[in-house]
Amino acid sequence: SQTIHQWPATLVQPVGSPLSLECTVEGTSNPNLYWYRQAAGRGLQLLFYSVGIGQISSEVPQNLSASRPQDRQFILSSKKLLLSDSGFYLCAWSLTSGETQYFGPGTRLLVL
Amino acid sequence: AQTVTQSQPEMSVQEAETVTLSCTYDTSENNYYLFWYKQPPSRQMILVIRQEAYKQQNATENRFSVNFQKAAKSFSLKISDSQLGDTAMYFCAFMKGHYQLIWGAGTKLIIKP
Repeated sequence: SQTIHQWPATLVQPVGSPLSLECTVEGTSNPNLYWYRQAAGRGLQLLFYSVGIGQISSEVPQNLSASRPQDRQFILSSKKLLLSDSGFYLCAWSLTSGETQYFGPGTRLLVL
Repeated sequence: AQTVTQSQPEMSVQEAETVTLSCTYDTSENNYYLFWYKQPPSRQMILVIRQEAYKQQNATENRFSVNFQKAAKSFSLKISDSQLGDTAMYFCAFMKGHYQLIWGAGTKLIIKP
């Protein structure tokens, strides 16, 4: 069966510091991968998605970036965090486009 | 633009009762997918049920079922024999294109013992 991991689970970072969140999927090959952000008490906002290694599409312009260095690894990065980057970040995978998305446990990010 | 509306910010029912969560959406597409996800206090997003718009039959998963009314653009979730573990935020979502899920604001469901 497939599993999805995210780390760290919680992160507190100062404004202006860099960010690296990691997501890995096990038990499948060439999945679609997604990064979402959830503000408190709200639904999710799609940030990036990837259909293959090195292929990244951005849905929302911001100071965040994503990379997919390996088939089942998806990384969310920032060079300089803003206060507004605080939130709950969820990674998801799907077998292919249009299929159900399955979510990881998420990372709580607090920027101070 | 596609939108998803959940008009009930919070609901509470007694354990073992049946509860229905409402969801309406707006789209001009004919073929699409709709989802209900639950988010317990752990905040992991968990799939509850999925409905393909081209299927007239309502999806069911054990105690969870949907009432899909395509013409009315309505997609409600019914939870039968509710359990304490059903306490969570419930989100309705619409798949825009092949990648992007458009989410409602969520309904907080509390199951009381």
